[in-house]
Amino acid sequence: AQSVSQHNHHVILSEAASLELGCNYSYGGTVNLFWYVQYPGQHLQLLLKYFSGDPLVKGIKGFEAEFIKSKFSFNLRKPSVQWSDTAEYFCAVKLSWTSGTYKYIFGTGTRLKVLA
Amino acid sequence: GAGVSQSPSNKVTEKGKDVELRCDPISGHTALYWYRQSLGQGLEFLIYFQGNSAPDKSGLPSDRFSAERTGGSVSTLTIQRTQQEDSAVYLCASSRGTEETQYFGPGTRLLVL
Repeated sequence: AQSVSQHNHHVILSEAASLELGCNYSYGGTVNLFWYVQYPGQHLQLLLKYFSGDPLVKGIKGFEAEFIKSKFSFNLRKPSVQWSDTAEYFCAVKLSWTSGTYKYIFGTGTRLKVLA
Repeated sequence: GAGVSQSPSNKVTEKGKDVELRCDPISGHTALYWYRQSLGQGLEFLIYFQGNSAPDKSGLPSDRFSAERTGGSVSTLTIQRTQQEDSAVYLCASSRGTEETQYFGPGTRLLVL
């Protein structure tokens, strides 16, 4: 079955620490990949996305993610986190079929808490 | 400009009643998406619209769920004969096209007693 796994459900870091959140998906076909973030009290918003080209994708607020096709992974990274990065992070995959239809699968999310 | 809006923001209903959830997408956005987020779960993709058409309804959890979109704008998600397991946050998103960034609304929190 198609799925998206986020291995870390809760992460606590101190400011300036480096961040890496894991995301793996199971699907052998064409995928588009996304990371979304939900800050406390706010709507879900897009951090970054990968459609094609350079597998290292840079997003907003200093975040980046690397698509490794052989590992079915799309891990999110940030070299130095800030207190304002405290949020819930969701990895998502868009699966597309030759019929033209598609669907999105989201992971269960990772809650990041950054200590000041 | 205005973002995606959803109404009501909260809905409490009794088991067996029908509910209607509304989504107003960003003006000009042709694609619209409905998701469900249950406690402790990720977002479950329910259905999407390209214009007024929903090419794939297989993501709807049961035949009690239906959705429509009119005029390429407002969409409603209807749940008939609600059950307690329908309790969740229902999120709507819209995008300029199917390859574009999705913008999410604030969600409707549904509680079925």
